[in-house]
Amino acid sequence: SAVISQKPSRDICQRGTSLTIQCQVDSQVTMMFWYRQQPGQSLTLIATANQGSEATYESGFVIDKFPISRPNLTFSTLTVSNMSPEDSSIYLCSADRVGGHGYTFGSGTRLTVV
Amino acid sequence: QKEVEQNSGPLSVPEGAIASLNCTYSDRGSQSFFWYRQYSGKSPELIMSIYSNGDKEDGRFTAQLNKASQYVSLLIRDSQPSDSATYLCAVNPLASGYSTLTFGKGTMLLVSP
Repeated sequence: SAVISQKPSRDICQRGTSLTIQCQVDSQVTMMFWYRQQPGQSLTLIATANQGSEATYESGFVIDKFPISRPNLTFSTLTVSNMSPEDSSIYLCSADRVGGHGYTFGSGTRLTVV
Repeated sequence: QKEVEQNSGPLSVPEGAIASLNCTYSDRGSQSFFWYRQYSGKSPELIMSIYSNGDKEDGRFTAQLNKASQYVSLLIRDSQPSDSATYLCAVNPLASGYSTLTFGKGTMLLVSP
């Protein structure tokens, strides 16, 4: 199965600033996904990132707030822009496993906005 | 709107007992189903997948699927304290190929020594 390296693992940021989260996969994958998990909650999909095309955002998430890049089949970034305390959460990237059956997650980024 | 429902728990079982975790889903056309384990402060880890009605066993874990009842469950035999975690049910509308997963909110399992 794919191994995903995600960084940073955690950060404390000032409101109004931006943070870019990176995910590197050890093999080529077709689709990568970005999730948010707030304390005690399940995973909420932010967007799906395909290589070479615009990311597809879920309801409630917009590109201006969460721009995503997918320059190749092994890498993606998510930027959390103009942060507010409400953006404090764990952000997770995920990629399709071989055969598209189930997904592997990165280790997550714990973001605190102060 | 696709929904996946799980009892939030916590489900408390003694060491050595069978833990039974349940999940229902709203999208009758769903084709593939997954169980993830998430330890506190860690990311989810895939532990089981199931695609056909019936049971699928992998070590101490058994996944059960009943598409007619839109119900999927996970049984953990001989539960160990190390099984204490939150278990997330996830549903995929496709049998294969690439699509997004819908996750339940998870059931917290506590296994006492």
